Amino acid sequence: KAGVTQTPRYLIKTRGQQVTLSCSPISGHRSVSWYQQTPGQGLQFLFEYFSETQRNKGNFPGRFSGRQFSNSRSEMNVSTLELGDSALYLCASSLGGASQETQYFGPGTRLLVL
Amino acid sequence: GENVEQHPSTLSVQEGDSAVIKCTYSDSASNYFPWYKQELGKRPQLIIDIRSNVGEKKDQRIAVTLNKTAKHFSLHITETQPEDSAVYFCAASRGGGFKTIFGAGTRLFVKA
Repeated sequence: KAGVTQTPRYLIKTRGQQVTLSCSPISGHRSVSWYQQTPGQGLQFLFEYFSETQRNKGNFPGRFSGRQFSNSRSEMNVSTLELGDSALYLCASSLGGASQETQYFGPGTRLLVL
Repeated sequence: GENVEQHPSTLSVQEGDSAVIKCTYSDSASNYFPWYKQELGKRPQLIIDIRSNVGEKKDQRIAVTLNKTAKHFSLHITETQPEDSAVYFCAASRGGGFKTIFGAGTRLFVKA
């Protein structure tokens, strides 16, 4: 099975712009979670989507939003970019069922805001 | 809210020594505890996991122990090698649509 993929891998934007990142989960996985990772920092949870619905949400401002499509692919959008949004954005997919499951991470999109 | 505390934040060991990383979780309903290794510039990758019905699990040089009563679990790496140098994250999950909670990470340095 192909792993989790993310596009683009690198992105440079300027303050005030918006950006859309994409994540394709492992085939058959219905849950996609998004994380922000800044240098030397842990994994800050953004949100999780399951069957096209946001199921969990972290403590990020409304500028961060996401969605999931019927094929389980997910996108996250950041509007009005700020310098502090520069980070590695990781998505992770899992089956999303009732039992505990492993999350598998994509390679990440590295966003630089100038 | 629920959280996972991870210690130490940085750990430096000599090659061949053992390394131990400890995590404590707050949600008593957590029943799945994965550990991830993230090498520099790469994605976190699962290295071992344990479920609540097991007290210990071992895979070659890596082992994880779980104490449900005390709500803590630990990662043990024996005979460390330079390639073990990375950031390690613990996590706790209860499934059923609840989000996975990650620890803050431990940066492990193995000196040759």
